[in-house]
Order: sequence, then structure tokens, then C-alpha cells
Amino acid sequence: QKEVEQNSGPLSVPEGAIASLNCTYSDRGSQSFFWYRQYSGKSPELIMSIYSNGDKEDGRFTAQLNKASQYVSLLIRDSQPSDSATYLCAVNSEYGNKLVFGAGTILRVKS
Amino acid sequence: ETGVTQTPRHLVMGMTNKKSLKCEQHLGHNAMYWYKQSAKKPLELMFVYNFKEQTENNSVPSRFSPECPNSSHLFLHLHTLQPEDSALYLCASSPQTGGGEQFFGPGTRLTVL
Repeated sequence: QKEVEQNSGPLSVPEGAIASLNCTYSDRGSQSFFWYRQYSGKSPELIMSIYSNGDKEDGRFTAQLNKASQYVSLLIRDSQPSDSATYLCAVNSEYGNKLVFGAGTILRVKS
Repeated sequence: ETGVTQTPRHLVMGMTNKKSLKCEQHLGHNAMYWYKQSAKKPLELMFVYNFKEQTENNSVPSRFSPECPNSSHLFLHLHTLQPEDSALYLCASSPQTGGGEQFFGPGTRLTVL
């Protein structure tokens, strides 16, 4: 079983719509959760961190965490073509001093 | 310079060459990491350093040799690589280890001929 799972996509949404990206993880002891955005040919860029159950909003981005169900999601409101990228979910490992990354979801926003 | 920098940005080398990748962080962090990113694969953690001490080696072949002279600098020495080692090599740093936020450099795109 993969430690962090994401649907590889591509997820296609029209400009202005809400994009919903999901991630599940296997380590029940995980406490820190991150979303990174990676444009083609570039390095990952941290866009959201969440540590507590519930929602955390930052501009057009909302991260949602449900530890009981072991999933974390990222909502992007008013999606723009510039949001087209691969979104990586990262979760800290309880037994190691490290982050475990999912394979990423490709998001395509069509104008 | 700000953030995390990496040099060179692109590297082409033969299987018999020896080269080094350099990473420098200007964030005052204490932990540094090397990752490998191959096409269509998740990020693979290679090495972790905390206060210059290596705390994790993720079963990386010995043809990759890391060096961390201080908390701001990290090197990855390469020798006798294989074509399958071609990938994007990313350096990251964080305030400390423990699974917190990590900040990535721009990466080195490595091609092994």
C-alpha cells in the first residue's frame, strides 16, 4: 500500500470553476500535511500547510483535513489557466523525520 | 541570493565522469535534503542532514556521495552513474527535521549518457 495516494489525473476544469484535489494517507500518526504546486520543469513550491482537522483558507486556496478518514484535500476557487500544474500532497511520517510525497495530480484549467 | 539555490541547473555527463551538485540555503535552516524526481514517479528522498550530521540514507547506491560541510551547504558527489540515474535532483531545507515544511531549490536536471 502506498503511503500517500493521489489520483494522477489529469483533472480538467473550466476557467472560473472550483478544482478539487484529494489525497489519502496511511500513517495514522501523521500530524503535518502540505500541498505543493509544481509547474512543468520547475521545482515544487509550498502553497498550503495544515495541521488541524477542518478547513484552512488562504486566498483562492482551501485545504481540508480529516484525520479520522485519513484524507486531505485542496480546493482552488475561481481556477485560472495559471493554476495548471501538478499538485503534490506531502505528509509527515510518524516514525521518521521526513515528508512522504504523493505522485501528484495534474490539473489543467481550460480557458 | 535568497531561498535555496542549486548549481549547476543542467548537467550532462558520461558514465565514467565525476561531477558534483551544489546546494546552498539562505534561510537559516538546520536541515537539508536531497531528492530525486524521475518522470511519473513520486519524489524519492535520498539523504537527510540535520545540523551537518546525516540522519537518513534511503538505501542510495554508493555512486551518490553526499557531503554537508555546514548547515547552509550541501553537495552531492556523482561518479560512475548509469543512464537510469538521469533525473531532476532537488535540494530542500527546513528549519529542523521532523516532517515540517520544506523549501525546495530549483533543481539540477541531470542527463547521464
